[in-house]
Amino acid sequence: SQTIHQWPATLVQPVGSPLSLECTVEGTSNPNLYWYRQAAGRGLQLLFYSVGIGQISSEVPQNLSASRPQDRQFILSSKKLLLSDSGFYLCAWSTLGEDTEAFFGQGTRLTVV
Amino acid sequence: GEDVEQSLFLSVREGDSSVINCTYTDSSSTYLYWYKQEPGAGLQLLTYIFSNMDMKQDQRLTVLLNKKDKHLSLRIADTQTGDSAIYFCAEGVSGTYKYIFGTGTRLKVLA
Repeated sequence: SQTIHQWPATLVQPVGSPLSLECTVEGTSNPNLYWYRQAAGRGLQLLFYSVGIGQISSEVPQNLSASRPQDRQFILSSKKLLLSDSGFYLCAWSTLGEDTEAFFGQGTRLTVV
Repeated sequence: GEDVEQSLFLSVREGDSSVINCTYTDSSSTYLYWYKQEPGAGLQLLTYIFSNMDMKQDQRLTVLLNKKDKHLSLRIADTQTGDSAIYFCAEGVSGTYKYIFGTGTRLKVLA
C-alpha cells in the first residue's frame, strides 16, 4: 500500500534561518507531488507541484523553493525564513492522471520566531 | 482565476444534519472532492463526485452538485461529536494536475 511521510511534525525556527522540510512517498512510482500551506483562516494554498523529477511548478511568488531530487522525494526549502512563513505545511501526492484524489501527509507546523 | 469558496464556520447539535456548502469556478472540473481535517493532522478524503452526477450518497454523507451554479454541498446526517473537524471542498483543475481547495468550514458539533 502507498504511504506518505512528512517530517518534522513541528518546527520552531528563528527569522533568517534556513528551512528544509522533507516528504517521501512509498508504494507508488512517478507520483504527482504537492506542497500546500495552511494559514489560519485562509484555507489551503497550493505552493508547488511536480509531475516528475526536476519538474517544479510554482504557484505563488514567495520566499520558498521546492526540489524533487528523486522520484518519490519532495523538499520544501528556504534560505532565510520570514515571520510570514509560519503556518501548517502539507505534502500530498496523487497518481499520474488528472481525475484522481490527492493523499496527504500529516503536516509540519512551522513557527518562525 | 481558480477560486473555491466556503463559509468558515458551522455549528450544529448532535443528531441534527449538517450541510456544508461550497462554490467553485472551474466549470470543466471533472471531479470535486470533500476532505476532512482533524485538529493538527493532514487531510483525509471523505468522498468525491464525478461532474456528470447530481448526487452521491455514501452512508451518512450526501453530496449534491449543481453544475449550472457551480455549487457543491456536503450533508452529514445524524451528526456526531466525532464529526467536529474542518471540511474542505476541492476541485481538480482540468488540463492540469492541480487541486484547488476552499478555505475550509470548521464544523462544531454541540452535545
